[in-house]
Amino acid sequence: GDSVTQMEGPVTLSEEAFLTINCTYTATGYPSLFWYVQYPGEGLQLLLKATKADDKGSNKGFEATYRKETTSFHLEKGSVQVSDSAVYFCALSDPNTGNQFYFGTGTSLTVIP
Amino acid sequence: DAMVIQNPRYQVTQFGKPVTLSCSQTLNHNVMYWYQQKSSQAPKLLFHYYDKDFNNEADTPDNFQSRRPNTSFCFLDIRSPGLGDAAMYLCATSGGRTSGLTDTQYFGPGTRLTVL
Repeated sequence: GDSVTQMEGPVTLSEEAFLTINCTYTATGYPSLFWYVQYPGEGLQLLLKATKADDKGSNKGFEATYRKETTSFHLEKGSVQVSDSAVYFCALSDPNTGNQFYFGTGTSLTVIP
Repeated sequence: DAMVIQNPRYQVTQFGKPVTLSCSQTLNHNVMYWYQQKSSQAPKLLFHYYDKDFNNEADTPDNFQSRRPNTSFCFLDIRSPGLGDAAMYLCATSGGRTSGLTDTQYFGPGTRLTVL
């Protein structure tokens, strides 16, 4: 079945450090891939998405590239800020399963000044 | 701005006392979802509506029910809340009537339920 495996946290970085959060997936079809961010006490906000192989999603300095050959969608940011402290969820939507979402377990990021 | 709204943001109820959580959307989306999220976990899908068609997840307890009286509103009813039902409840939507089903889900801010 479909699944998402996400790098376990928590992750603690200093401000301006480089961020990578790994995400790999298993899917029967050709899924769309997403990163969502959840700030404390809030719902999930769409951060970026990619709908086909080699697509790059980007937003607010974050990037992720849909790699079909490695079934990965790693999240990266060149220079993190304190305001990036949140929980990040990788997810996929598979048209073969009616676009049901499969979430990773989430990675907590804390950025310290 | 088009959005997903959840009320209330915080809800306190007593053990066994029915509670209803509300979700509304201005996105005119076909599909509305309810998720349960416990601390430090991923959201867990409870059920969803595609228009008026209700789709229950196999492992959703009977204690959880939902209503969708119109396109804009969807309610989550917990008939007899237990201590284990304390969680964040997230509403999400996807799809558009004119552009066909799209797969991105848009989430509301959530309702934090406390059971005393």
